[in-house]
Amino acid sequence: EPEVTQTPSHQVTQMGQEVILRCVPISNHLYFYWYRQILGQKVEFLVSFYNNEISEKSEIFDDQFSVERPDGSNFTLKIRSTKLEDSAMYFCASSIAGYNEQFFGPGTRLTVL
Amino acid sequence: AQSVTQLDSQVPVFEEAPVELRCNYSSSVSVYLFWYVQYPNQGLQLLLKYLSGSTLVKGINGFEAEFNKSQTSFHLRKPSVHISDTAEYFCAVSDLYGGATNKLIFGTGTLLAVQP
Repeated sequence: EPEVTQTPSHQVTQMGQEVILRCVPISNHLYFYWYRQILGQKVEFLVSFYNNEISEKSEIFDDQFSVERPDGSNFTLKIRSTKLEDSAMYFCASSIAGYNEQFFGPGTRLTVL
Repeated sequence: AQSVTQLDSQVPVFEEAPVELRCNYSSSVSVYLFWYVQYPNQGLQLLLKYLSGSTLVKGINGFEAEFNKSQTSFHLRKPSVHISDTAEYFCAVSDLYGGATNKLIFGTGTLLAVQP
């Protein structure tokens, strides 16, 4: 069964450093998403991406964040200068259509020291 | 703006007992509704969804949910739980007319703790 994959599973970084979180969505899916879950809190929407551009972004997704689909398979989330409060689990998701169910990856736990 | 309320942060239940996890939503437009499950140290897995049609929706692992538009609820039920159902359960809503992509708005989650 096809699945969304994410690498790395755990990333530790120093405050101020740049990180790139990688995702490989399901191959025939066209819509891509990033969510995050701060420990003990609910899952929050960050950004959606379709047709090589951002469709919608939340207030959390400020200028420090960017997304890219550099090739036909990967979907990345970059945080330019990490802050302590960026520590969270980051989930990538994809769907075949905008209104269809979203399939989630296992997540990347980001720890900012 | 949409919101989802899961009033119960934790629901302890004995094995083979029935369970109901409550979910209420707030939205000014029609919505899609979802329940996701998160097992320890894993990602989110879709349990079931309501898009349209019958208000009683059946999902995986014996779970079902009923959409009640008048009460803006989408409670999750299982007639007999197993130890393996111990997990965090998230209710989520998506705007029916959200445009090209429909972001999911999640509730705070309910930890279902099944005891032997």
